[in-house]
Amino acid sequence: QSVLTQPPSVSGAPGQRVTISCTGTSSNIGAGYDVHWYQQVPGTAPKLLIYGNNNRPSGVPDRFSGSRSGTSASLAITGLQAEDEADYYCQANDISLNAPFGGGTKLTVL
Amino acid sequence: QVRLQESGPGLLKPSQTLSLMCTVSGDSISSGGYHWSWIRQRRGGGLEWIGHISHSGNTYNSPSLKSRLTISVDTSKNEFFLSLTSMTAADTAMYFCARGRLWGGSYYWDSWGQGTLVTVSS
Repeated sequence: QSVLTQPPSVSGAPGQRVTISCTGTSSNIGAGYDVHWYQQVPGTAPKLLIYGNNNRPSGVPDRFSGSRSGTSASLAITGLQAEDEADYYCQANDISLNAPFGGGTKLTVL
Repeated sequence: QVRLQESGPGLLKPSQTLSLMCTVSGDSISSGGYHWSWIRQRRGGGLEWIGHISHSGNTYNSPSLKSRLTISVDTSKNEFFLSLTSMTAADTAMYFCARGRLWGGSYYWDSWGQGTLVTVSS
């Protein structure tokens, strides 16, 4: 069980907005460590989606945004598209010198 | 554009040692600024950070694996390596190498290899 907790699944219709939560503790997100997000299409390597809580790498659409508050973080996807169907993982360092990932959230586009 | 490629045996017997290599192209490990990492993913499961190494050879290992783990680098060949001893079925996973950066106290990985599947079975 990961120290970063994500909902196992979320879903939304094309064009809708969905959010994925990532709940940590005072040892990781709550300690001020930045949160990063990855998108993984099954059978492929993860892809960096958001770094430093709310920064998008070049090439990532502005439909994707991140935020962090207290011991939690969120990934928001607006204007949902079929191609967004994938697994999403949050990740942050921990004071135990670990770099845990969340358990992952499967996004289904209805 | 940086590319990473893992290589190594796909099948091991229990108690054997896993040795993987990651070949980096499009970037120089010795240029600094990045950490070169190993991350694994069990079938149907989430991602697990294993550890990483800097260009100068400083290593940072997962507390749960560090007693069995060695990560090394050969900057002359632009390659880095993973060695994991006493393999068990629980170590069966897809192993990724990745390029990492430190940001806001947390590492993130901006480039990944395609992964190599390692199966431990007698």
